[in-house]
Amino acid sequence: AQKVTQAQTEISVVEKEDVTLDCVYETRDTTYYLFWYKQPPSGELVFLIRRNSFDEQNEISGRYSWNFQKSTSSFNFTITASQVVDSAVYFCALSETNYGGATNKLIFGTGTLLAVQP
Amino acid sequence: DTAVSQTPKYLVTQMGNDKSIKCEQNLGHDTMYWYKQDSKKFLKIMFSYNNKELIINETVPNRFSPKSPDKAHLNLHINSLELGDSAVYFCASSGQNKVTADTEAFFGQGTRLTVV
Repeated sequence: AQKVTQAQTEISVVEKEDVTLDCVYETRDTTYYLFWYKQPPSGELVFLIRRNSFDEQNEISGRYSWNFQKSTSSFNFTITASQVVDSAVYFCALSETNYGGATNKLIFGTGTLLAVQP
Repeated sequence: DTAVSQTPKYLVTQMGNDKSIKCEQNLGHDTMYWYKQDSKKFLKIMFSYNNKELIINETVPNRFSPKSPDKAHLNLHINSLELGDSAVYFCASSGQNKVTADTEAFFGQGTRLTVV
């Protein structure tokens, strides 16, 4: 079964600390996509990154970096030098392609609430 | 330019009423979705439409009826609202990025429905 696990329910750090949010997934598909979304207190879901299953290169975008390892089925997200504005719920998601590619349903993890204290 | 927009952002209504939430995307995507986020922040798919055709219906009560007049719009109508319907409903669309051909998925800003 397709599944995404975010074992960390809540993380609290002090500003400028680095923090890593864990994501472990299960899938039988050989082609799939992994996503991270940020949900700030205002409630919208903000797209952060998409990674396809054939691209295991790590990615860095400013203070954000992602480590994708197929061998451990993990797609972890690190924020370097965290800031108060990073406080949000972060969701990892797995895209399941069905019906000949007609739909890409997202299966979400339960989210990790990150609180960055000043 | 808002990629996926849904209205209204907030909706407060009494039990038993019927209400609709509208969603539009300007990304040219073929597939649209409704997701429900419950009070514990858990996000789960409700429906998926591809080119106006219903593809996924995840055992949602038939009081919920999605309607897709064209592939850029997917509205959600809810009949006989119940207290348990209170949640945040997100519209989303997915398709191939026109530059990279990678799958992309974007969400609307959410509609917070409160049934009293």
